[in-house]
Amino acid sequence: AQSVAQPEDQVNVAEGNPLTVKCTYSVSGNPYLFWYVQYPNRGLQFLLKYITGDNLVKGSYGFEAEFNKSQTSFHLKKPSALVSDSALYFCAVRPRGSTLGRLYFGRGTQLTVWP
Amino acid sequence: ETGVTQTPRHLVMGMTNKKSLKCEQHLGHNAMYWYKQSAKKPLELMFVYSLEERVENNSVPSRFSPECPNSSHLFLHLHTLQPEDSALYLCASSHYLSSGRAAEQFFGPGTRLTVL
Repeated sequence: AQSVAQPEDQVNVAEGNPLTVKCTYSVSGNPYLFWYVQYPNRGLQFLLKYITGDNLVKGSYGFEAEFNKSQTSFHLKKPSALVSDSALYFCAVRPRGSTLGRLYFGRGTQLTVWP
Repeated sequence: ETGVTQTPRHLVMGMTNKKSLKCEQHLGHNAMYWYKQSAKKPLELMFVYSLEERVENNSVPSRFSPECPNSSHLFLHLHTLQPEDSALYLCASSHYLSSGRAAEQFFGPGTRLTVL
C-alpha cells in the first residue's frame, strides 16, 4: 500500500533559524514528490516538486527539498525561517503511471515560526 | 489566487437537506478532483474526473454524488449527510498528461461544511 509519513505534527523554530519539515514515503517505483502549503482558511498551494535529476529541488518562497532515494525521504528545508512561513505543510507523492495523477498525502506538519 | 474557485465557502446543513458544492477552474486544465480534509487525517481523494474517464474512490458513500458537466466545472451533490461528514472539501485541477508526467494540482480555497 502507498503511504506518506510526516513524523512531526508540529515544528517550532525561531525566525532566522533554518527549518526542516520531514517526509518519508513508501511507494512502489520511483514516484514524483511534492510539497504543498496551506494557510488558514485557504486551499493548498504548490511549493515544489521532484521529478528526476538533481536531488535538491528549489521552490517558491525560498523553500527547497532534498530527495534521498536510499532513505525514501523528501525533507523540506529553508535556510532562514520567516514568521510568515507559519502554516500547515503537506508532503505528497504520485506513483509513476498512476491513474489520473492520483496523489497520496501525509497528515501535515504545522510549522510555527516565532519572532 | 490559484485560478480555482469554490462556492459556497461555508455551508451549514441538516441531515435531511440536499445541497451542492461548486468548483470552477480558469486554468485550462482537463482533470478535476474532490478531496475531503478532516482534522489530523491525510487528505482523502474522493473523485477524479478527466475528459476521458472518472475514477471513484470506492470508500465514498453514495450520499456524495459528483457531476462534471464540462472540463471547467465540477459539482458535489450532497444528500442525507451525517455529522461525521463535516469537513473542509477541497477541489483541485491539473493537466492530465497521458505521458505520465507529473503535473501539479492547483487547489481551491475549500468549502467548510458543517452537518448538524
